[in-house]
Amino acid sequence: AQTVTQSQPEMSVQEAETVTLSCTYDTSENNYYLFWYKQPPSRQMILVIRQEAYKQQNATENRFSVNFQKAAKSFSLKISDSQLGDTAMYFCAFMGYQGGKLIFGQGTELSVKP
Amino acid sequence: DTAVSQTPKYLVTQMGNDKSIKCEQNLGHDTMYWYKQDSKKFLKIMFSYNNKELIINETVPNRFSPKSPDKAHLNLHINSLELGDSAVYFCASSQGAIEAFFGQGTRLTVV
Repeated sequence: AQTVTQSQPEMSVQEAETVTLSCTYDTSENNYYLFWYKQPPSRQMILVIRQEAYKQQNATENRFSVNFQKAAKSFSLKISDSQLGDTAMYFCAFMGYQGGKLIFGQGTELSVKP
Repeated sequence: DTAVSQTPKYLVTQMGNDKSIKCEQNLGHDTMYWYKQDSKKFLKIMFSYNNKELIINETVPNRFSPKSPDKAHLNLHINSLELGDSAVYFCASSQGAIEAFFGQGTRLTVV
C-alpha cells in the first residue's frame, strides 16, 4: 500500500524568504502522480503543483517549485519570496497512474511572518 | 460558477440523528469522492464513484451510505450519528489523474 509522510508538522518563514516543505512516499508503482495541495484557513483545498513521475523535469508554478527525487521517493515543495497569503496547511498527496483516490500526508502548517 | 459545491457548509446535530450532505459538480467529471478530515487535519478517502458506480469503499461504518443519482451528484447520508463522526467532510471530483477539485467542505459537529 502507498503511504505519504510529511515529517514537519509546523514551519514558519519570514515574508520574502524561501522555505522548503518535505515529503516522502512509498510505492511499488513505477508511474504515478504527486501533488501539493494548500488549505488556507478558509478550508478550501487548492492545488499548488502537480508532478508526473515519468517526467524527470521538476514542476514549477510561479513561486512554487518541487524537487522530485524518484529513487529516493522524495517530493519537496519550495516556496520562494514567501507571502502572507501563503500561510496555510500544505498537504503532499499521491495518486496512482490510473487516477483514483488521493493518499495524503499528515500536512505541514506553514506560517509566513511579516 | 462553483465547480464542486456541497451543502450545507456547517451542520450541527444531536447524537442519534440522521443527516445528509449533498454534492454537485459541473465539470463533467466521471469520478467523485468523499474524503473525511479529522480533528488533526488528516484527510482520508471514504468513497469513490465512477459514472454512478461505487469503486472505492474504504473501511467506513455501514452508517455511512453514499448515493449517486447521476454522475454530477454524490450525496452522503449518515445514520445514527455519533460524537466521533464530527469532522470536515469534503466532496471532490476528477477526470483521470489531472487534478482533483474539492468542494468547500462541510463541518459536521455532533453534540
